[in-house]
Amino acid sequence: AQTVTQSQPEMSVQEAETVTLSCTYDTSESDYYLFWYKQPPSRQMILVIRQEAYKQQNATENRFSVNFQKAAKSFSLKISDSQLGDAAMYFCAYNGYNNNDMRFGAGTRLTVKP
Amino acid sequence: GAGVSQSPRYKVAKRGQDVALRCDPISGHVSLFWYQQALGQGPEFLTYFQNEAQLDKSGLPSDRFFAERPEGSVSTLKIQRTQQEDSAVYLCASSPRYGPTEAFFGQGTRLTVV
Repeated sequence: AQTVTQSQPEMSVQEAETVTLSCTYDTSESDYYLFWYKQPPSRQMILVIRQEAYKQQNATENRFSVNFQKAAKSFSLKISDSQLGDAAMYFCAYNGYNNNDMRFGAGTRLTVKP
Repeated sequence: GAGVSQSPRYKVAKRGQDVALRCDPISGHVSLFWYQQALGQGPEFLTYFQNEAQLDKSGLPSDRFFAERPEGSVSTLKIQRTQQEDSAVYLCASSPRYGPTEAFFGQGTRLTVV
């Protein structure tokens, strides 16, 4: 079974600084998707960024970028120029190519200090 | 509405009571998912619908949990004889594609069983 591990329950960053959230996963599949979701207090999961495993290039969405290391099964999220609105729970998720069940990590709570 | 809508947002049930949670997906989305998110944890997959067909219910924790999507649009998650361990946030997501790779989440229903 695939598992997703987020080893940082909490992280803190100063406004305008850069922070990296860690995620590792375990799988025997070669084709899959990886995601980072943001969950603010409103509870709605918002997709931050998505990576397809067959693509070697790291995905980037504005201030958000990932460091995808397929051999190491690592998928970290870098947030640049952190803003107060970035404060939330961040979840790493895995989805096998032909699977319907997305697997989530336990989450990292990010605090942004003004 | 433009997004996935869930109702009610909060539900308090007495132990042993039956509850029904509703999900209105984004119009035209073929895929619909239910997740259970316990306090301080990441969401866990419950079940998946492709149009009106329930293709995967492997995550339903017991036979007290039942989900339906009779017309391929609105879905209802029903929990019979609720127990305290059922207390959680129940998230619904829909996707225009098969599978969860472009899933949009609702704000969830927080169920508290007392």
